[in-house]
Amino acid sequence: AQSVTQLGSHVSVSEGALVLLRCNYSSSVPPYLFWYVQYPNQGLQLLLKYTSAATLVKGINGFEAEFKKSETSFHLTKPSAHMSDAAEYFCAVSATSGTYKYIFGTGTRLKVLA
Amino acid sequence: NAGVTQTPKFRILKIGQSMTLQCTQDMNHNYMYWYRQDPGMGLKLIYYSVGAGITDKGEVPNGYNVSRSTTEDFPLRLELAAPSQTSVYFCASGRGATNEKLFFGSGTQLSVL
Repeated sequence: AQSVTQLGSHVSVSEGALVLLRCNYSSSVPPYLFWYVQYPNQGLQLLLKYTSAATLVKGINGFEAEFKKSETSFHLTKPSAHMSDAAEYFCAVSATSGTYKYIFGTGTRLKVLA
Repeated sequence: NAGVTQTPKFRILKIGQSMTLQCTQDMNHNYMYWYRQDPGMGLKLIYYSVGAGITDKGEVPNGYNVSRSTTEDFPLRLELAAPSQTSVYFCASGRGATNEKLFFGSGTQLSVL
């Protein structure tokens, strides 16, 4: 069985500050991991994904995430927050075999303060 | 290239009414999914399809039905709408490899009163 846990349903940061959104996963097989972003009244868009190549993954808009197997984590970071980063962020996991399903976390809403 | 298109964007239903949420994609993707999004609950998989004529249940299928007669279309049917089905519904599609991203529609906001 697979699952993802996102710690913190709401995170607030000041503009220019570090963004850290946490995601821990559980998977009985090697996982594929994703971060999606959802802007208001829109569908989800892919930020980045881990597919067992490099453990540090760079995505769009300056975001990156590091896969840490020992910690079963895939936290999302950005060195300097912009106002335009305000959105909801979802971590997701899929299996390398056995299912075509993607499991999503409960989401973290990021607020950027001026 | 339109991607994944969902209609309608908003709908209000009365308890017991039925409706169909439409989803179509123009990327020739075999895999299509229906999710519902509730505040603080993330996305829950309702149904998915791995190709025309093949559908399967997700985590929360009760109260819903789907069909997949063509590669492009994957409608979601609500029979006897209930207040518990008030939610935002997203359709998504993908190539099928689970290391690849999903493409999402812009959602349907449904209220059942």
